[in-house]
Amino acid sequence: AQTVTQSQPEMSVQEAETVTLSCTYDTSESDYYLFWYKQPPSRQMILVIRQEAYKQQNATENRFSVNFQKAAKSFSLKISDSQLGDAAMYFCAYRRLNFENEKLTFGTGTRLTIIP
Amino acid sequence: EAGVAQSPRYKIIEKRQSVAFWCNPISGHATLYWYQQILGQGPKLLIQFQNNGVVDDSQLPKDRFSAERLKGVDSTLKIQPAKLEDSAVYLCASSFPGKGPRSYNEQFFGPGTRLTVL
Repeated sequence: AQTVTQSQPEMSVQEAETVTLSCTYDTSESDYYLFWYKQPPSRQMILVIRQEAYKQQNATENRFSVNFQKAAKSFSLKISDSQLGDAAMYFCAYRRLNFENEKLTFGTGTRLTIIP
Repeated sequence: EAGVAQSPRYKIIEKRQSVAFWCNPISGHATLYWYQQILGQGPKLLIQFQNNGVVDDSQLPKDRFSAERLKGVDSTLKIQPAKLEDSAVYLCASSFPGKGPRSYNEQFFGPGTRLTVL
């Protein structure tokens, strides 16, 4: 079974600074997707960024980028120029590639606080 | 475009009572998921539907939980009887159906229903 581990229950960063959230996972599959989701307080979960394991290039979405280390099974999220609106729970998630509409397996989350 | 709708947003019940949650997915999304998110944990899949058929219910406690999607659109998740450990946020998500083994369709989440069992 696949597992996703987020070892940082809480992180904080000064506004406009950069922060990195960590995620490791365990799988025997060679092809899969990895995701970072954002869940603001009392609001719905939204997708931040997606990485296909067969792509060596790290995904980027504006201020959000990932460091994908396949051999180490590591998938960290870097948020640059942190903004107050980035405050939320961040979940790392895994999905097998070779199945249609496969379920997401989530980590336990990291609560990110932005300090003004 | 309207997002995934869920109701109620909050529910408080006594243990051993019954409760039902409703989800209306995004129009055209054939795949519907129910996740349970216990405080301090990530969401865990309870059941996945493709149209009105069940794809995966391996983690659904079938002695007390049931779910249906009779017309392949909206869905209801029921707990009967509730236990203290059922206190959680119940998230509904939906996506377009896949079109092949390497297909990817984003899952869109609803706002969730927060259940408190006393």
